[in-house]
Amino acid sequence: AQTVTQSQPEMSVQEAETVTLSCTYDTSESNYYLFWYKQPPSRQMILVIRQEAYKQQNATENRFSVNFQKAAKSFSLKISDSQLGDTAMYFCAFMNYGGSQGNLIFGKGTKLSVKP
Amino acid sequence: NAGVTQTPKFRILKIGQSMTLQCTQDMNHNYMYWYRQDPGMGLKLIYYSVGAGITDKGEVPNGYNVSRSTTEDFPLRLELAAPSQTSVYFCASSYSGRGNTGELFFGEGSRLTVL
Repeated sequence: AQTVTQSQPEMSVQEAETVTLSCTYDTSESNYYLFWYKQPPSRQMILVIRQEAYKQQNATENRFSVNFQKAAKSFSLKISDSQLGDTAMYFCAFMNYGGSQGNLIFGKGTKLSVKP
Repeated sequence: NAGVTQTPKFRILKIGQSMTLQCTQDMNHNYMYWYRQDPGMGLKLIYYSVGAGITDKGEVPNGYNVSRSTTEDFPLRLELAAPSQTSVYFCASSYSGRGNTGELFFGEGSRLTVL
């Protein structure tokens, strides 16, 4: 069974600084998606960034980038130039490619606080 | 753009009561899902549907039922509510056709308390 582990329950960062959130996963599959979702206090889950396992290049979305290490099964999220609006729970998630669509396996989340 | 809409946002139930959480999406997505989120945990899949008339169990289906009579709507029914069903429930949908990215679009959640 696939599992997703986020080892940092809480983190804090000063505004404008850079922070990295860790995620490791376990799977025997070779094709899959990895995601980082953000859940602000309003509760709605919002996609931050996604990575397809067959792509070697790390995904980047503006201030958000990932470090995808397939052999190590590691998928960390780097937030550059942190903003107060980045304060939220961040969930790492795994989905088999072509499997039971939507069966995202979530980690327990990391609570990120951006301090002014 | 409405996206995925869930109602109600909050509800308190007594043990043994029943209720239905409503979910509708206007993106013409074939796939729809119900997740629950317990405190300090990620989301767990309750049920999902790949199209009208087709539903299947997820990881934690016990105590719930779903139906999918239209592409837009995917209600979740709780029969005989129990305190263990106190949680935040999320409905989501996704596009399943060519070029799909695996991204799920979530509603704002429904907080349910069973006392």
